This record gives sequence, C-alpha cells and structure tokens, in this order.
Amino acid sequence: KAGVTQTPRYLIKTRGQQVTLSCSPISGHRSVSWYQQTPGQGLQFLFEYFSETQRNKGNFPGRFSGRQFSNSRSEMNVSTLELGDSALYLCASSLDLSSGANVLTFGAGSRLTVL
Amino acid sequence: QKEVEQNSGPLSVPEGAIASLNCTYSDRGSQSFFWYRQYSGKSPELIMFIYSNGDKEDGRFTAQLNKASQYVSLLIRDSQPSDSATYLCAVRMIKAAGNKLTFGGGTRVLVKP
Repeated sequence: KAGVTQTPRYLIKTRGQQVTLSCSPISGHRSVSWYQQTPGQGLQFLFEYFSETQRNKGNFPGRFSGRQFSNSRSEMNVSTLELGDSALYLCASSLDLSSGANVLTFGAGSRLTVL
Repeated sequence: QKEVEQNSGPLSVPEGAIASLNCTYSDRGSQSFFWYRQYSGKSPELIMFIYSNGDKEDGRFTAQLNKASQYVSLLIRDSQPSDSATYLCAVRMIKAAGNKLTFGGGTRVLVKP
C-alpha cells in the first residue's frame, strides 16, 4: 500500500515568489493535514482538510493557504515568500475514525529553501 | 507555558540500557497521545499511541499515561544504536477539531555502543 506522497521533495525559491506543494494521501484516507517544521519552532500545525473542506487552521498568516480535491489529494500554497518560510513542510493523512485513535501518517516532506 | 513540553536532550544512554522519555501537556481534557520517532533528515514515523491511563507495551517500547498528572512517557528497553533519533510527543487535545495534533519540541536520544 503506497504511503503519503509529497512533491516536490526539494525546492529553492527567492523572496517574494510563491510556491505550491502537493500531497497525495494513503488510499482511503480522507483527512490531510499540513505541518511546518523548523529547528526553532518544531512541528507546527498549518491546516487540515477533510472532504474538500478546511476543518482546522493553525496560527499562520493568510499567505499560507491550501485546498483539497475530490480525490483527497491536497495542495498548499505560500505566497510572497519570506526567508522565515524556509522549512520542511510535512503532509500527513489519516482515516477519520470516530475514536480518538486516529493516527497521522506522514509523507517524506517538501524541503523549501527561500533565498 | 507550551502546550506540550519535552526535554530537548540529548539523552545519552548506553547500548542495552533503558531510555526514559517524558512529556507533559497543559490541556487536562486531552484525549489521545502519540509517540513519533524522527531520524535526522527524515519525516516522523509513529511508534505507538495511548489513550487510557496505564501502560501500553509494543515490543521494546512502553508508553505510560497518567492523565491526573498530565504526563505521558516512553520507555525504550534494550536500547540499540538504531534508536538514536528525536522522539516527538504529540497530543490530540479536546479543544482541537478534527485530527489536529500538538507536538512537543522533541527529545534527542543518543544510544552509545
């Protein structure tokens, strides 16, 4: 069973540009979450999508946005890139069970460097 | 106060010893607790989760949960050099909608041969 697939794996952008990252969840998983990981702040929640709707949003500026398609694939976009956006962006998918034991499975991540 | 706190380490343990990692959380109503392992340059991978008070064992790993004291711990028995990684504690808080997890900063573990 294929895991969570993120593309691209590495990318370099300059300040002011925008970037779009893609995530394909595990087959059957309808929930997709995005996290930003930096050495200083650790793993921080960006947003979660379920059935093409944003269900939860972290404390990030409006430059960070996302969407989910009908096949559960998700994209996130960062506009007007800043140096501080350099990070590992992780996508995680999960089943949406009624129990609290929903497990997040992470993709390999997209490492963004902003110059 | 951070919502989920971990000692950043490094926690240095000799091969074959027990590594003990702790995590405290602020939201008393938190429901589920997860331990992830992250090797350098890799993404987090789930070790185990726990949502009932007490111990849960999986191979060489044991998670312990004490909701009254708001802490969760992870024991790694017979530590191996391959266990050297950063261990992330994650909490699903009652106030969080959906599947949002709040992560601690991680504890770096070094297992010395």
